[in-house]
Amino acid sequence: GNSVTQMEGPVTLSEEAFLTINCTYTATGYPSLFWYVQYPGEGLQLLLKATKADDKGSNKGFEATYRKETTSFHLEKGSVQVSDSAVYFCALRFVYGGSQGNLIFGKGTKLSVKP
Amino acid sequence: DAMVIQNPRYQVTQFGKPVTLSCSQTLNHNVMYWYQQKSSQAPKLLFHYYDKDFNNEADTPDNFQSRRPNTSFCFLDIRSPGLGDAAMYLCATSQGTGGNEKLFFGSGTQLSVL
Repeated sequence: GNSVTQMEGPVTLSEEAFLTINCTYTATGYPSLFWYVQYPGEGLQLLLKATKADDKGSNKGFEATYRKETTSFHLEKGSVQVSDSAVYFCALRFVYGGSQGNLIFGKGTKLSVKP
Repeated sequence: DAMVIQNPRYQVTQFGKPVTLSCSQTLNHNVMYWYQQKSSQAPKLLFHYYDKDFNNEADTPDNFQSRRPNTSFCFLDIRSPGLGDAAMYLCATSQGTGGNEKLFFGSGTQLSVL
């Protein structure tokens, strides 16, 4: 079936450290890939997306590249801030087919950034 | 300026006592979704409405129902909550169901079952 696997958290980093959160997926078709972020007490927000292989999504200093050969969409940021503390969800969604419309999430990775 | 509003933030119900969770949107989006997120698990889609068309996921228990009386409101009804239904329930909206559509999420309702 279709699924998303993220690295287990929590991840604790010092401010200005480099961040990587791994995400791999299993899909029977050609999904679009997303990273959503959930700040404390708020709903999920779209952070970035990529719709085809080799696309790079980027936003707020975060980047992720759609790697079809490794079925991965790892999230990276060169220098994290305390305000980046949140839960990050990797997700996929199909453009066509019977699963269209269903956003399939990973379990989420909690990031804590210390000053 | 909340665009997808879920009330209440926390809901407590008793085992077997029907409960309704509510969601409203100011975006005038066609699609409204309900996700269930249990502790340390991925959010899981229960069902969604495209306008008035209801789309149930195959593995959503019959205990879960939904209503969408108009574009702005969507309700999640749990007919006989069990202890296993304790979870965060997330409402989301989008304009369409295409793979590139952006979903807008509410803050969620945390349901406890006593």
